[in-house]
Amino acid sequence: LAKTTQPISMDSYEGQEVNITCSHNNIATNDYITWYQQFPSQGPRFIIQGYKTKVTNEVASLFIPADRKSSTLSLPRVSLSDTAVYYCLDLNFNKFYFGSGTKLNVKP
Amino acid sequence: GAGVSQSPSNKVTEKGKDVELRCDPISGHTALYWYRQSLGQGLEFLIYFQGNSAPDKSGLPSDRFSAERTGGSVSTLTIQRTQQEDSAVYLCASSLGSGKDYEQYFGPGTRLTVT
Repeated sequence: LAKTTQPISMDSYEGQEVNITCSHNNIATNDYITWYQQFPSQGPRFIIQGYKTKVTNEVASLFIPADRKSSTLSLPRVSLSDTAVYYCLDLNFNKFYFGSGTKLNVKP
Repeated sequence: GAGVSQSPSNKVTEKGKDVELRCDPISGHTALYWYRQSLGQGLEFLIYFQGNSAPDKSGLPSDRFSAERTGGSVSTLTIQRTQQEDSAVYLCASSLGSGKDYEQYFGPGTRLTVT
């Protein structure tokens, strides 16, 4: 059974860097690691995806160690609008697991 | 372009009634997913289709739940004899291909309330 674990919640202040880590206990060799963001009353939306080492796009960076048993989503200089729930996604035997998510609360 | 659409946006039904939820994926997307999200909770995977086929239906919560997809496009999720615990937001997503590598695009969801 696929199981991802991540912190339930995190607090931060505007302008800080936020790092959210997810453990991927049963990740398959060829699986990518994907993160999604969800605002209240909306469906999740894709943030970033990677396979190993580091991936960066216009909104975030994703760090994946060599053993791929975890991943860290890094949000640089967060703003109030980054307050949301962040999910790492896992796949196991045709089932997609979003996990419980990390609720990020950005304070002014 | 048009995103994933779902209908109805809200549905209130009495316990014991059947409901049908509809999802229109993005044109050209071969994979379609259904999730359920209870208030304040994470996403619960229900089922996904690659084309018109669902490789695994064991994610459906009970035999009162069924889903189908026709023509590689529209999908319906049917809940028979609804129960109060079925109350949740039902989210549909689609992607160009199946598998975790493909970005899933989510619809706005259908909020189901069973009274």
